[in-house]
Amino acid sequence: DAGITQSPRHKVTETGTPVTLRCHQTENHRYMYWYRQDPGHGLRLIHYSYGVKDTDKGEVSDGYSVSRSKTEDFLLTLESATSSQTSVYFCALRGEGGYGYTFGSGTRLTVV
Amino acid sequence: GENVEQHPSTLSVQEGDSAVIKCTYSDSASNYFPWYKQELGKGPQLIIDIRSNVGEKKDQRIAVTLNKTAKHFSLHITETQPEDSAVYFCAAWLGGAGSYQLTFGKGTKLSVIP
Repeated sequence: DAGITQSPRHKVTETGTPVTLRCHQTENHRYMYWYRQDPGHGLRLIHYSYGVKDTDKGEVSDGYSVSRSKTEDFLLTLESATSSQTSVYFCALRGEGGYGYTFGSGTRLTVV
Repeated sequence: GENVEQHPSTLSVQEGDSAVIKCTYSDSASNYFPWYKQELGKGPQLIIDIRSNVGEKKDQRIAVTLNKTAKHFSLHITETQPEDSAVYFCAAWLGGAGSYQLTFGKGTKLSVIP
């Protein structure tokens, strides 16, 4: 979607290596979210941010960390990737005063 | 917190027939209910939403109904077409101070058979 970009789109990495996924927005939205999507589980929230340097955990935060040093970028880091973190990762935005999300196109991560 | 249940998990319909997907939510304070459509290889996209002060909303072939008393809401797609084939997610927003996120159902895979 215009205004939100995820990178990379695809990544294969080895178990135990660190991985960082990037979400970049041009909408100046305050709220940003990281979800993972797995068959049978739908969309599960990993972490979210409600402002620069303001972040909080979601329901599946173990093994993940995030950082938001400026409004436009929200980074998701897997400190030491495991096979259970093989998934499709989506970033989402929400503007102030609204409830609907705009999702990015996703990053397919495979940990071998 | 909020909990959203979505049914069915898969749904097959003949082209031209109607499709209905149902969701229930647990917290009566929830006040906003969007529906998202996810096509293969893409991120979910908002297709329609409804707020708790409205019982029904329509947009061409899609409609959403909300029953606050029963705490359930439904997506209705009429005159289905092959391009309606996708995964659909419902969600609920728990209102109130400190509420920052939507809670999603697990999704329904809709297949429209030509």
